[in-house]
Formats: sequence, structure tokens, C-alpha cells
Amino acid sequence: EPEVTQTPSHQVTQMGQEVILRCVPISNHLYFYWYRQILGQKVEFLVSFYNNEISEKSEIFDDQFSVERPDGSNFTLKIRSTKLEDSAMYFCASSARQGRGGELFFGEGSRLTVL
Amino acid sequence: GNSVTQMEGPVTLSEEAFLTINCTYTATGYPSLFWYVQYPGEGLQLLLKATKADDKGSNKGFEATYRKETTSFHLEKGSVQVSDSAVYFCALPHGSGNTGKLIFGQGTTLQVKP
Repeated sequence: EPEVTQTPSHQVTQMGQEVILRCVPISNHLYFYWYRQILGQKVEFLVSFYNNEISEKSEIFDDQFSVERPDGSNFTLKIRSTKLEDSAMYFCASSARQGRGGELFFGEGSRLTVL
Repeated sequence: GNSVTQMEGPVTLSEEAFLTINCTYTATGYPSLFWYVQYPGEGLQLLLKATKADDKGSNKGFEATYRKETTSFHLEKGSVQVSDSAVYFCALPHGSGNTGKLIFGQGTTLQVKP
């Protein structure tokens, strides 16, 4: 069964460092997303991406964050200068379509720890 | 925007017990409703969904009925197994457009003991 894969599964970084989280969405999907879950809190939407541009982003997704689909298969989330509060589990997701009933397929997540 | 409230956990049950996890929502219109499950060490998986009022989603013995009169989408299973131990999330789209921006409940941890 096709799946969304994410790397790394866990990354530890120092505050102020740049981090890139990578995702390989399901191959025929067109819509891509990043969500995050701070420990003990809700899963929160960060950004959606379609047709090589951001289609929607949350207030969390400030100038420190960027997304890219560099080669038609990978979908990356970059945090330019990490802060302690960026420590969270980051989930990538993809979907074949939007609209009623459209299902999001999630990866297993990348745990980011900022020290 | 839409919102969702989920019963707090953890919920601890013995094997073969009946499970209910409550979920209520507020929404503009009648959006699709979802239950996602996160098994230990894994990502979020869609467990079931309902796309319109009175629909019943079902999968792996779990069921949830979309009830617009009570704005609820409670998750039920008649006989839980140890392998059902996981975190369960109720979710719905943020707005009326079903854009893939989902709003999640806070998650309910289920622990099933043998």
C-alpha cells in the first residue's frame, strides 16, 4: 500500500540552527501538507501546497518557515532559525484531491528537539 | 472557523469492553467528519469518515454516526482488543471548503488491558 515517508524520524538541533524535514508524498497525489504536534497538545495545521505554491498557511507558519517541492517527489519543510518552541512532532500529509471526503494520508512524523 | 471538542482521556478498558469516545463539533454547513488513529510509534491513520448527516462511518469494528441534531460524531466499538490501544483524534475541515486544512481534537488515549 502506498505511504507517505518522512525523514529523519528524530532530529536534535541547537537553537538558531536551520533544519530541513523531508517528506516523500504518495506518488499520484497533488496536495501536500505539514502539520505539527507539540507534546501534549493538539495536532495543528501549518501549511498546504498545491501546484508548486502555498495555497494556505496558518499564523504559526511565519517567515522562519518555508516549504519546497524541489524535484517532483520530495516535499520539504525548512525552519530557518530554530527556537525552543519549535520542538514538536512534524507530520507531512498528502491527498489526491480536495473536497468532500478527500482523505489525507499522513507520514509517521519527524520529531524535532531544539536544545 | 469550525471547531471540535473531544472527551479527555486516558480511557482504560479491559479487553472485550464497549468503547465510546465522545466528539462534538461546531461548524458552518455540514462538513465531512473524520476519526484518525495514532498507534504507538506511528503516524496518523484515517480510521473512518462520514461525509454527510446521518452517514455512518465504519472500519475495523469501529463506528461513528454523523448526527447533525446533536452535532456529534462519537466513536464506538462493541468489543475492544489490546491492539486497539492508541490515541484517537476527531477531526473536521477548518472551513466549509474541505480544503485539507483539518482541525483536530486534543486526542483521547485508549489503553486496553488483557
